[in-house]
Amino acid sequence: RKEVEQDPGPFNVPEGATVAFNCTYSNSASQSFFWYRQDCRKEPKLLMSVYSSGNEDGRFTAQLNRASQYISLLIRDSKLSDSATYLCVASAYNQGGKLIFGQGTELSVKP
Amino acid sequence: GAVVSQHPSRVICKSGTSVKIECRSLDFQATTMFWYRQFPKQSLMLMATSNEGSKATYEQGVEKDKFLINHASLTLSTLTVTSAHPEDSSFYICSASSLELAGGQGDEQFFGPGTRLTVL
Repeated sequence: RKEVEQDPGPFNVPEGATVAFNCTYSNSASQSFFWYRQDCRKEPKLLMSVYSSGNEDGRFTAQLNRASQYISLLIRDSKLSDSATYLCVASAYNQGGKLIFGQGTELSVKP
Repeated sequence: GAVVSQHPSRVICKSGTSVKIECRSLDFQATTMFWYRQFPKQSLMLMATSNEGSKATYEQGVEKDKFLINHASLTLSTLTVTSAHPEDSSFYICSASSLELAGGQGDEQFFGPGTRLTVL
């Protein structure tokens, strides 16, 4: 079993749609969580950190459920520019803080 | 701030040659640098973690004699792929973290733009 697992993609949605990505992690010692965005043939870029209370940044909302070891990312009012691969990432202090990446979920927003 | 550069961005080489990739933190001192590899349609896989002045810690399954990592200063780490073969063709990405920048947490990593290696 992969340490960080994500919804298989791709997600094809129209502009303006709301889309949700789910992610689970298996290491209960994971302490920090992130969503990264990766465009084709580019490096990943941090989209947002995920906090226990949940957090929102504009059209993006991230939530964490430690009991279920589950993380989500909600994108509202999708834009064409949101098309990318979204990577769920966990980090555990008992692993020296290294980042464990999920396989990514591809999002394609169509006009 | 927190810019990481990689050089070269793309390299094509013949099988059997060695390739060196540089990773630099441009505006901060990196406590730790990480090297990842990404094959098409797959996620980033951590290869090794390195701290300045000490030997790199390699992930299981990564050959340390094939992937040589040198972290000579707080702003520079190099990855040398020795005797490269076609199966080493991949996207190599480095990242750097700094206790100063992350407010003491050290979690956030800043990624370089990656190096696309093609071995013929």
